Amino acid sequence: DAGVTQSPTHLIKTRGQQVTLRCSPKSGHDTVSWYQQALGQGPQFIFQYYEEEERQRGNFPDRFSGHQFPNYSSELNVNALLLGDSALYLCASSLVHSSTDTQYFGPGTRLTVL
Amino acid sequence: SQQGEEDPQALSIQEGENATMNCSYKTSINNLQWYRQNSGRGLVHLILIRSNEREKHSGRLRVTLDTSKKSSSLLITASRAADTASYFCATTHQGGSEKLVFGKGMKLTVNP
Repeated sequence: DAGVTQSPTHLIKTRGQQVTLRCSPKSGHDTVSWYQQALGQGPQFIFQYYEEEERQRGNFPDRFSGHQFPNYSSELNVNALLLGDSALYLCASSLVHSSTDTQYFGPGTRLTVL
Repeated sequence: SQQGEEDPQALSIQEGENATMNCSYKTSINNLQWYRQNSGRGLVHLILIRSNEREKHSGRLRVTLDTSKKSSSLLITASRAADTASYFCATTHQGGSEKLVFGKGMKLTVNP
């Protein structure tokens, strides 16, 4: 049973460019959440997708957008990259009607903006 | 903004000793969870405690929750070098797959 997978593992972009990160949830999960973790900090919630709709959003600008596909996988898009967008981007999956309230995290994508 | 705050921010102990980490939060929660992260990789879920629970155990882990003080503690008994990692507490405020609000984390080093 595969856990949460993310691609790519590492990515280097320059300021102003656009990036797309991908996430496949754990088998059986229907909800995907994205988090940004700056160096030395805890993860910060970006947004959550369920039934292909953005269900919740954190305090991130509109440059951050996402999508969820019918197979529950998800993409995170960031436009007009800034140096401050350099971070580890984590995807977490869960089951909305689960009794355990547990989110399972992928290994992350390390984004470096030069 | 990050709600949870772990204390201490760094802890170094010898193998076999116990490690205690504390977490404080600001507003009412639905549940509190502890995660481990090795070297900037993905987060591993350790244990969850609901707001109506006071103590839970899982293997070498013991977590307590005091909602009147808005605080939690994680105890790792008989620590091993493999426990070396960063530990985060995270809170949720509604049931189900709601967003996790993380603290800044605590770095635990277990020396062989």
